[in-house]
Amino acid sequence: DAGVIQSPRHEVTEMGQEVTLRCKPISGHNSLFWYRQTMMRGLELLIYFNNNVPIDDSGMPEDRFSAKMPNASFSTLKIQPSEPRDSAVYFCASGGQREQFFGPGTRLTVL
Amino acid sequence: RKEVEQDPGPFNVPEGATVAFNCTYSNSASQSFFWYRQDCRKEPKLLMSVYSSGNEDGRFTAQLNRASQYISLLIRDSKLSDSATYLCAVNRAGGYQKVTFGTGTKLQVIP
Repeated sequence: DAGVIQSPRHEVTEMGQEVTLRCKPISGHNSLFWYRQTMMRGLELLIYFNNNVPIDDSGMPEDRFSAKMPNASFSTLKIQPSEPRDSAVYFCASGGQREQFFGPGTRLTVL
Repeated sequence: RKEVEQDPGPFNVPEGATVAFNCTYSNSASQSFFWYRQDCRKEPKLLMSVYSSGNEDGRFTAQLNRASQYISLLIRDSKLSDSATYLCAVNRAGGYQKVTFGTGTKLQVIP
């Protein structure tokens, strides 16, 4: 099993640009999570999908952030427009009833 | 008060030492508890679940204290390879998959 796949692994962009992060969860997992990790705030849950349906998006910081899961094997997290304070590592994770499996993360730098 | 709190450390311990971390949680309805390990610039990976009766996996022992609302992780005979950040995670009841992570405790095992 390839595990959770994320792309790109690194993204450097300028303030105001649109950023799209992609995730392919582990086949058979019905839950998908997007997290953001920074030194100051640690690992924060942004949004959680179950069976492709957004269940809890209370962690999405503001309207500039949006996430979709059009099918069971693909999800995107979009930031438009991006700001320097969005710089962080963004993890996608999928899971069953207990354990969550994380992807390698996308390291985003907004200049 | 944060939902899940950990001492950020760092804990600097010599090889062979025993070290323990605690993690407190504020929601008494929490039902599932986990310890994750995160190596530098890598994704978190599940180290072990924490069961009510306590559980052991080799050199690692996890305990749950519901009355005082904390979980602990004990590492015996520390190895250099144990150097990492240890994140505790707490899940609510009812099949709801949202997991809240602590900010992590950094462990550095010194030769």
